[in-house]
Amino acid sequence: GESVGLHLPTLSVQEGDNSIINCAYSNSASDYFIWYKQESGKGPQFIIDIRSNMDKRQGQRVTVLLNKTVKHLSLQIAATQPGDSAVYFCAENKGQAGTALIFGKGTTLSVSS
Amino acid sequence: EADIYQTPRYLVIGTGKKITLECSQTMGHDKMYWYQQDPGMELHLIHYSYGVNSTEKGDLSSESTVSRIRTEHFPLTLESARPSHTSQYLCASSESTGRETQYFGPGTRLLVL
Repeated sequence: GESVGLHLPTLSVQEGDNSIINCAYSNSASDYFIWYKQESGKGPQFIIDIRSNMDKRQGQRVTVLLNKTVKHLSLQIAATQPGDSAVYFCAENKGQAGTALIFGKGTTLSVSS
Repeated sequence: EADIYQTPRYLVIGTGKKITLECSQTMGHDKMYWYQQDPGMELHLIHYSYGVNSTEKGDLSSESTVSRIRTEHFPLTLESARPSHTSQYLCASSESTGRETQYFGPGTRLLVL
C-alpha cells in the first residue's frame, strides 16, 4: 500500500551541529507535505510544510527539501539545540478534498550538549 | 498555538468499562480526526469527520465510535474497554481549504487493566 517512511529511526547529534532527517514517500499523487515534531508526552506540533510545486522552503532554523524525482523529503535543522530533541514525523496529503494525512514512522532526534 | 483540547490527559480503567475521550477545538475547523499512537510509533487514523453529522472510519480498524453533533466537539467512545485498547489517543483538526495542516491536541494516555 501507499506509505510514508523515514530512513532512520534514530539520529544523535551534538549541540550546534546541523541535523538532517529524511523521509521517503511512495505516492506520486501526493502534493502537500508536512513535518511534525512530537515531544515526549505531547501531541505532534506543526513545524513546516511544502507544496509539490516547490523544491525548498525555509523557516526559522528549519528547511524542508522536496525531491519529487526520487520521492524524497528532508528536514534540515540548523544549529541543533537540546530543545530540538523529539520524534519527527513527515506526513503527506494528496491535496484533494476528503483525504487525510498519511504519517510515516518517526525519527527520534537526540541532541547532546 | 493551536486551540485544541483533550480530556482526560491520563486514564487508568478496568476491563469492560465504558469510556469517553473528549476533544474540543475553538478554531472553527470543520475537519476533525482521531489517531491512535503507541509510544514512539507512527500515528494511525481511526476516525475522522468533515463536519457536523459526518463521521467516517479511518485506516486502522477500531472498536471505538465517534459523534459530531457540534463543530467544536468530537468525542470518542469505547463501550467496553479492553487491555488491547491501551494506547495514546490523539485528536486533531484542520481547515477545509485543501492544505490539510492538522493541529493536534496533547493526547489522552489510556491504560486498561
